[in-house]
Parts: sequence; C-alpha cells; structure tokens
Amino acid sequence: AQSVTQLGSHVSVSEGALVLLRCNYSSSVPPYLFWYVQYPNQGLQLLLKYTTGATLVKGINGFEAEFKKSETSFHLTKPSAHMSDAAEYFCAVSGLGGGFKTIFGAGTRLFVKA
Amino acid sequence: EAQVTQNPRYLITVTGKKLTVTCSQNMNHEYMSWYRQDPGLGLRQIYYSMNVEVTDKGDVPEGYKVSRKEKRNFPLILESPSPNQTSLYFCASSSAGGANYGYTFGSGTRLTVV
Repeated sequence: AQSVTQLGSHVSVSEGALVLLRCNYSSSVPPYLFWYVQYPNQGLQLLLKYTTGATLVKGINGFEAEFKKSETSFHLTKPSAHMSDAAEYFCAVSGLGGGFKTIFGAGTRLFVKA
Repeated sequence: EAQVTQNPRYLITVTGKKLTVTCSQNMNHEYMSWYRQDPGLGLRQIYYSMNVEVTDKGDVPEGYKVSRKEKRNFPLILESPSPNQTSLYFCASSSAGGANYGYTFGSGTRLTVV
C-alpha cells in the first residue's frame, strides 16, 4: 500500500538551531509533495509544495524542502528555528497511481526551546 | 478573503443523535474533502467530492454521509454518532483535485460523542 512516513512524532530543537523534519513516501513514480503546518486550534496551512521542476522548494516562514527521487524523500528544513515555529507539521503526497488522492503522514510535533 | 468555513467549531453530542457539520468555500473550487484527525494517525479521508452531485468514499467512510448539491457547500452528516467518531474534523477544498495545488483547510470541528 502507498504510504507516507514521517520519522519522529516529536522533534525538539533550540531556538536558532537547524530544523530537520523527515518525510519518506512509497512510490515508484514521482508524485506531488506537500508540507503543511498546523498551529494549535487551527486548520492546516500549506507551507510548500513540489510538483515539477526544481527539486529544492522554498516555502513560507523560511522553510524549504528538497525532493530526492532516489531516496523517495522530501525532508523539510529551516536553518534557524524560531519560537513561533512550534507547531505540528504534516507531509502529504498526492498523484500516487495517477489519481487525485492525497495521503498524509502521521505528523511531527516541533518543540522549540528558548 | 479566500477561505473554507466550518461550523460548529466545537460540538458535544450524545450517542445516536443525528448531527450535521457544515462546510462552505468561497473560491469556486471543484474538489472538496472531509478528513478526520486522530493522534498518531494523521489525517484520514472520509469522503470527497469532485464536483456537484459527484461524491465518493475515502478511507474511513463508515458512519458518515455527505452531499454536494451546490458547488460551495459540502456538509458532513453523522446519522447515528458513536463514541468512536469523537475526533477533530477538517473540511478542505482544492481547484485541481488536491493533486497539483494543495488544499485550503477549514479551522476544524472538534466533535465529542458521549
């Protein structure tokens, strides 16, 4: 079955440190890839997306992600964490098997320590 | 402002009492979808609609109904709610089946069934 795996349900970093949230998907065909962020008591907000073209994608709030086909990965990074980055992050994949279905990972909660 | 509006935000109900969660979008999107979010499971799709009068089951449709009589509205109906339907529900819309552009999400409805 097609799946999206986010490594680590919780990640803790210090303010100013590198943020790395990992996402791997199972597909032999490059899909469409997304990262969403969810702040407390809010809906999900699109952070960035990869469809075609450049494999390094820049999003809002200084985040970026790189699509690596050989590793079937789409890890999310930010060079310097800010307290306001504390939230839950979801990786999502669509277009698997040529369809429109979107599959979400289980989520990674990011904690930022002062 | 482009948005997806869900109501109510919070709902506590008793087992077996029919309820409807409303969802409306003002972006003229063709594709709408309902998800439930449970800890450790990410988002799971309940039902989706490709356009007016076109709906189909997602991964966890049991116990739910939907209708799409107008393009902007996509209500979620629980005919006989049970405690295992206690969850956080999100409505989302997209102009391209979610595959290319990503979703716009509502703020969520937290449902408790006692």
